[in-house]
Amino acid sequence: GDSVTQMEGPVTLSEEAFLTINCTYTATGYPSLFWYVQYPGEGLQLLLKATKADDKGSNKGFEATYRKETTSFHLEKGSVQVSDSAVYFCALRSGAAGNKLTFGGGTRVLVKP
Amino acid sequence: GAVVSQHPSRVICKSGTSVKIECRSLDFQATTMFWYRQFPKQSLMLMATSNEGSKATYEQGVEKDKFLINHASLTLSTLTVTSAHPEDSSFYICSASGPHLSKDIQYFGAGTRLSVL
Repeated sequence: GDSVTQMEGPVTLSEEAFLTINCTYTATGYPSLFWYVQYPGEGLQLLLKATKADDKGSNKGFEATYRKETTSFHLEKGSVQVSDSAVYFCALRSGAAGNKLTFGGGTRVLVKP
Repeated sequence: GAVVSQHPSRVICKSGTSVKIECRSLDFQATTMFWYRQFPKQSLMLMATSNEGSKATYEQGVEKDKFLINHASLTLSTLTVTSAHPEDSSFYICSASGPHLSKDIQYFGAGTRLSVL
């Protein structure tokens, strides 16, 4: 079945540091890939998505590129802020599973001033 | 737009009682709603998918008599944990999608933390 693996946290960074969160997946067919972010006390919010190979999703300074050859969708941001402290979830949606999302385990990121 | 409200945010109950959690789409028609369970430091696990006016589709291993889901309107779905036990303590999250929204995107509630004593 479908699965998503992402690096375990917590990841602790200083402000303006470079952030990478690795995400790899296993799925049938050609899934859509997502990154969701969960700020403290809030629900998950879609951060960015990519629907086909080589697509790059971007939002709020974050980027992730759909790499079919390595089945990866790593999240990056060049200069993090304290406000980026949150839990980040990688997810996929494959046509075989209808509209269901399969999530990775989440990575907690803490950015210190 | 596309706001999903979940209530209550936190509930504590005694073992053997039933607890109802509501999930509302505030500004769109949610033809499909999803219920997830999240264990500490783990991922969201899909419990069931409900389409308005239809019976919910439960994932393998989820007891449908234990977790009752009702999706009677286009803006409301409820999850009732019946005869709750301490092992049901968890974080429950709903999400919704609708016909006028991208089918790829689900909008999430803030979650409900259930503690069963």
